[in-house]
Amino acid sequence: DAGITQSPRHKVTETGTPVTLRCHQTENHRYMYWYRQDPGHGLRLIHYSYGVKDTDKGEVSDGYSVSRSKTEDFLLTLESATSSQTSVYFCAISGGALETQYFGPGTRLLVL
Amino acid sequence: DQQVKQNSPSLSVQEGRISILNCDYTNSMFDYFLWYKKYPAEGPTFLISISSIKDKNEDGRFTVFLNKSAKHLSLHIVPSQPGDSAVYFCAAPLSGGYNKLIFGAGTRLAVHP
Repeated sequence: DAGITQSPRHKVTETGTPVTLRCHQTENHRYMYWYRQDPGHGLRLIHYSYGVKDTDKGEVSDGYSVSRSKTEDFLLTLESATSSQTSVYFCAISGGALETQYFGPGTRLLVL
Repeated sequence: DQQVKQNSPSLSVQEGRISILNCDYTNSMFDYFLWYKKYPAEGPTFLISISSIKDKNEDGRFTVFLNKSAKHLSLHIVPSQPGDSAVYFCAAPLSGGYNKLIFGAGTRLAVHP
């Protein structure tokens, strides 16, 4: 299994509070991604990174920001959590633009 | 606009029989497709892929068929086993590089003994 961990694995928070999710990899892969999974939508890309300090938006980026200061860590921040951001969040890594993406175990977030 | 569609939310199959999971796409620029499998409380895992220059790719019990003219692909599992019970997602990389994937909504497969 690819060395990907996500923390926390579960979180309950209140509307309006900031939340940061962490993805950590031990594979030294260049590409990292954040997806959210919701019923009826599959997985949707939030943000991605193609190198340290190189990030860009995905298809559902509103309300989210990311940072990547080290190769191994990719942080996803919900600046002011809303109930619509209740979801399961997955991090993925890839060694190259044509290589398989490997997913972390997910973080289940509930915004009350 | 769903560029990758899985119109069957669920499928139930008896052990030993064939499972056929379907996926349709709208973007004719897609040139590579992937299937991921997901168990509850775990992340998706890569299962099998196919390039648009092929119409079939086989890996053990899993075969993916691609019909470009119909913009349709299917995943066949033969014979189906109870351990195959999971959610299956088809996906395709968006143009522009960086391996950004767009996923279908998924099909939940239940294989009964």
